Amino acid sequence: DTGVSQNPRHKITKRGQNVTFRCDPISEHNRLYWYRQTLGQGPEFLTYFQNEAQLEKSRLLSDRFSAERPKGSFSTLEIQRTEQGDSAMYLCASSPVRGGNSPLHFGNGTRLTVT
Amino acid sequence: AQTVTQSQPEMSVQEAETVTLSCTYDTSESDYYLFWYKQPPSRQMILVIRQEAYKQQNATENRFSVNFQKAAKSFSLKISDSQLGDAAMYFCAYSVGGNNDMRFGAGTRLTVKP
Repeated sequence: DTGVSQNPRHKITKRGQNVTFRCDPISEHNRLYWYRQTLGQGPEFLTYFQNEAQLEKSRLLSDRFSAERPKGSFSTLEIQRTEQGDSAMYLCASSPVRGGNSPLHFGNGTRLTVT
Repeated sequence: AQTVTQSQPEMSVQEAETVTLSCTYDTSESDYYLFWYKQPPSRQMILVIRQEAYKQQNATENRFSVNFQKAAKSFSLKISDSQLGDAAMYFCAYSVGGNNDMRFGAGTRLTVKP
């Protein structure tokens, strides 16, 4: 079990640029989640996948955000035309499909700074 | 909509003492799960303890235990014999049974004084 891996760890970009983050979940986990965490706050749910299917998207996920998990393994989160308000830690987590009692396994996150 | 409230932004405890972190939640569901996660500085979030709503017995994991009051929708975390390594942000979280889109509170920053 190598854990959930996220790349890059840090990303600094200029406003208006596009950025893409990658998440590699624990290999046997079917579910993959994206959360956003701003300083001093708890993680906010963005979206989740079961295998390659995107099952839910938060209202926080504007049309500038898109997430994919094409083969049911790794996932990417893209933010187009970044804004300063997008600056946050983007957390990926995975879990097996065992219902609501399955704890999430988090990655170390990707910290995005939009200048 | 489900909400999770942590009313203590910061707490401190003396090493070896006991501290209780508060959490309340709002839901209309009867089947759900509650969690406490720990996020040390610059490190990944890890699970501390979890509780199934249908269980009346409070969950315990070594020095960590919860006081689950379903009617009051309260889920506090007690840390006994606090250690320096317990210093972290603690997040209370909620998920509905069979639908694991977890919702988190704003967190409580715990400081442990030597």
